[in-house]
Amino acid sequence: DADVTQTPRNRITKTGKRIMLECSQTKGHDRMYWYRQDPGLGLRLIYYSFDVKDINKGEISDGYSVSRQAQAKFSLSLESAIPNQTALYFCATSGPSGGSQYFGPGTRLTVL
Amino acid sequence: AQTVTQSQPEMSVQEAETVTLSCTYDTSENNYYLFWYKQPPSRQMILVIRQEAYKQQNATENRFSVNFQKAAKSFSLKISDSQLGDTAMYFCAFSQGNTPLVFGKGTRLSVIA
Repeated sequence: DADVTQTPRNRITKTGKRIMLECSQTKGHDRMYWYRQDPGLGLRLIYYSFDVKDINKGEISDGYSVSRQAQAKFSLSLESAIPNQTALYFCATSGPSGGSQYFGPGTRLTVL
Repeated sequence: AQTVTQSQPEMSVQEAETVTLSCTYDTSENNYYLFWYKQPPSRQMILVIRQEAYKQQNATENRFSVNFQKAAKSFSLKISDSQLGDTAMYFCAFSQGNTPLVFGKGTRLSVIA
């Protein structure tokens, strides 16, 4: 089984809808991240969490919110989706300082 | 803020040849970590190699090696004996350790038979 899982893998939704992307990990890591990938822009950080009680905004947090339900679970919400949030979304985890990040398979989100 | 620059949007290499992907970064810190990730068409992000800035020895993983030039803030990836399966986007990334990764915009590598 994969160490980092994301659901759904693909989602098409309409403008104005609320949508939640979920991430679970079995690596036992404390640190979890949400990134967004757009063509030609690389990966940009949306939110990150270094433990269950810690939530931090990243470079592009506007229009997004997160919830860290447990050490193993970190969900990303779009309260009112808009077309420019169409992108590939990645969840990642890492161990202590300097540790490598391990990524989920990604969720392709299309907002019509 | 730290920045990571990959100056080659696209590259191609013949199968079995060697190719080098460039990466430069900007930081005022002395201790940090550098990474190369591979993203094949399956879109999965795969860690290729990791370098700790305080280690002078260049990291190596099988056919993948880096040339880490700390003074020049350069971290290039060399792929030897290129294989068709190496076709992918390659991302360079930087972290101070207690900060999330900062990624470059990527280099698309095509390996040609």
